[in-house]
Amino acid sequence: QSALTQPPSVSGSPGQSVTISCTGTSSDVGSYNRVSWYQQPPGTAPKLIIFEVTNRPSGVPDRFSGSKSGNTASLTISGLQAEDEADYYCSSYTTSSTLIFGGGTKVTVL
Amino acid sequence: QVQLRESGPGLVKSSETLSLTCTVSGGSFSTYYWSWIRQPPGKGLEWIGYIYSSGSTAYNPSLKSRVTVSVDTSTNQFSLKLNSVTAADTAVYYCARIHPYHYGMDVWGQGTTVTVSS
Repeated sequence: QSALTQPPSVSGSPGQSVTISCTGTSSDVGSYNRVSWYQQPPGTAPKLIIFEVTNRPSGVPDRFSGSKSGNTASLTISGLQAEDEADYYCSSYTTSSTLIFGGGTKVTVL
Repeated sequence: QVQLRESGPGLVKSSETLSLTCTVSGGSFSTYYWSWIRQPPGKGLEWIGYIYSSGSTAYNPSLKSRVTVSVDTSTNQFSLKLNSVTAADTAVYYCARIHPYHYGMDVWGQGTTVTVSS
């Protein structure tokens, strides 16, 4: 299985919105709503910020939102803040009952 | 509050077997999936495999021939064995809890660094 495709980097100024895409296939992203997003600041463990495409765990700011269309899922960060600077990864459940990650996207706050 | 902690040798010799254990504390063990994930230096996350409390497993196809994940429900621990390691297996290894419906990994350990030496 090949990794889900994410842009290597995105950037934005404080207060702006940025969107990260996560492209898979009909065997993973396109088959289920079991898409999650993780935030990983440098030197720390990943943290779940979106599950089941659109849902936020308790405590995650509502500036983080998710969506999906066909084989592509997206994470949008609205009202970008300095503390949002981190690596972001998507993941999906697959038709083979496995899991797969995206290659990761570095978000830079200008 | 559920906590996960990885333990095991930080240095493994090339061609030998990497063995790690994840200890789960503070929550239910039997209703979740439990997973291993790794991250080579400067690179992205790679899913290794998961196990349910019943013992059913799933593995990354690229690692399947070398990986075994096992569980001990009496001690709330699950383990990873990766055999025939090479320098490419040098990474931070994380254990994580997987929600049984949406498959999001909602609790993570802090990670442990494993270096494969020649």
